[in-house]
Amino acid sequence: QSVLTQPPSVSAAPGQKVTISCSGSSSNIGSNYVSWYQNLPGTAPKLLIHENNKRPSRIPDRFSGSKSGTSATLGITGLQTGDEADYYCGTWDNSLGAYVFGTGTKVTVL
Amino acid sequence: EVQLVESGGGLVQPGGSLRLSCAASGFTFSSYWMSWVRQAPGKGPEWVANIKQDGREIYYVDSVKGRFTISRDNAKNSLYLQMNSLRAEDTAVYYCVRTEDSSSFDYWGLGALISVSS
Repeated sequence: QSVLTQPPSVSAAPGQKVTISCSGSSSNIGSNYVSWYQNLPGTAPKLLIHENNKRPSRIPDRFSGSKSGTSATLGITGLQTGDEADYYCGTWDNSLGAYVFGTGTKVTVL
Repeated sequence: EVQLVESGGGLVQPGGSLRLSCAASGFTFSSYWMSWVRQAPGKGPEWVANIKQDGREIYYVDSVKGRFTISRDNAKNSLYLQMNSLRAEDTAVYYCVRTEDSSSFDYWGLGALISVSS
């Protein structure tokens, strides 16, 4: 089981907003930058957010990230059917000496 | 355009070996950390290993230590993963990933499927 805990699923109607939490500890989120990835079925994960809250230029501003203490949050506004996917947080863990991904959250657009 | 193309995947028996290669283009390969990340069927991604620009810092997930070896050839813009003593639980799609400051994975290859089965 991962050291980063996410809710198994979240859902909302098109156009609405969802938030996904990622809970860790002082040895991972508390000490290092957090990234977020979108994983569509059958494709490689795609980087959405890096360094807690920075978006690559190709990522729309509907996606946002934040971090506070040992937790991080991904927000998606203006939800679209194309946003249905699994989402993972990730960061380095100083105690494990390894990069860790969260347990994953499935986003469903109702 | 950044491109990462993996090769060398396939079916192997338990205890066997395989070597994955990744050809990089569209960026200055020698300026980036590089990583291998795998994803087993129906599971989330799992970081496997990463290597610093000059190859002098290398890290592995505990489950592959002593069995897998990551390496790079900056002159050939290539990343490698030598996998020995393969187990059924190593079955996954293996992705070559450009790594930004060792903390985020910004470009991913299409992946290479490794199946370990008798």
